Amino acid sequence: AQSVAQPEDQVNVAEGNPLTVKCTYSVSGNPYLFWYVQYPNRGLQFLLKYITGDNLVKGSYGFEAEFNKSQTSFHLKKPSALVSDSALYFCAVRDTGGFKTIFGAGTRLFVKA
Amino acid sequence: DGGITQSPKYLFRKEGQNVTLSCEQNLNHDAMYWYRQDPGQGLRLIYYSQIVNDFQKGDIAEGYSVSREKKESFPLTVTSAQKNPTAFYLCASRWAVGNQPQHFGDGTRLSIL
Repeated sequence: AQSVAQPEDQVNVAEGNPLTVKCTYSVSGNPYLFWYVQYPNRGLQFLLKYITGDNLVKGSYGFEAEFNKSQTSFHLKKPSALVSDSALYFCAVRDTGGFKTIFGAGTRLFVKA
Repeated sequence: DGGITQSPKYLFRKEGQNVTLSCEQNLNHDAMYWYRQDPGQGLRLIYYSQIVNDFQKGDIAEGYSVSREKKESFPLTVTSAQKNPTAFYLCASRWAVGNQPQHFGDGTRLSIL
């Protein structure tokens, strides 16, 4: 069975500092991995995805994510956080042969000025 | 612009009442999904549809029903059998094959009167 774990309910960082939001996954086959961001009372917005190839994936708004197959992790990173990055972040996985996308419980990022 | 439109944004249900949430997309996507979002629980799949006139139950389908009579429309009915309907409901769509992410609407917040 597929599953996604986001071990931190909340991550707090100071503006200008690097940020990391953690994600680990379990899937039977090869995974498609995604990160989404959600602002209050809005839908999810796609940030980036890992399909195959380079383990470092670059996405929207300066975010990137590092895929680690041996640790089954897909951590979201940004070199310098902005206050406007404060939001709820979801990691998601889909088996390449599957149809359903499984979402983690979400991590709330709070960036302090 | 292409996208997904959910309506209404806020909805109130009385005891014993069925209510229908609208989801319309103009992205020409084959597949459509309904998710329920509760605080701290991520997104849970209610129903999904890969093609017109076909749909499948997700993980929490009890108390809900859907139809897919047109490619662009996937309405969700919350029936009186759903005893705890208060939640944020999200509709999504994507191409049925391939590695593309889902696109989300801006949600409907349902509350009990």
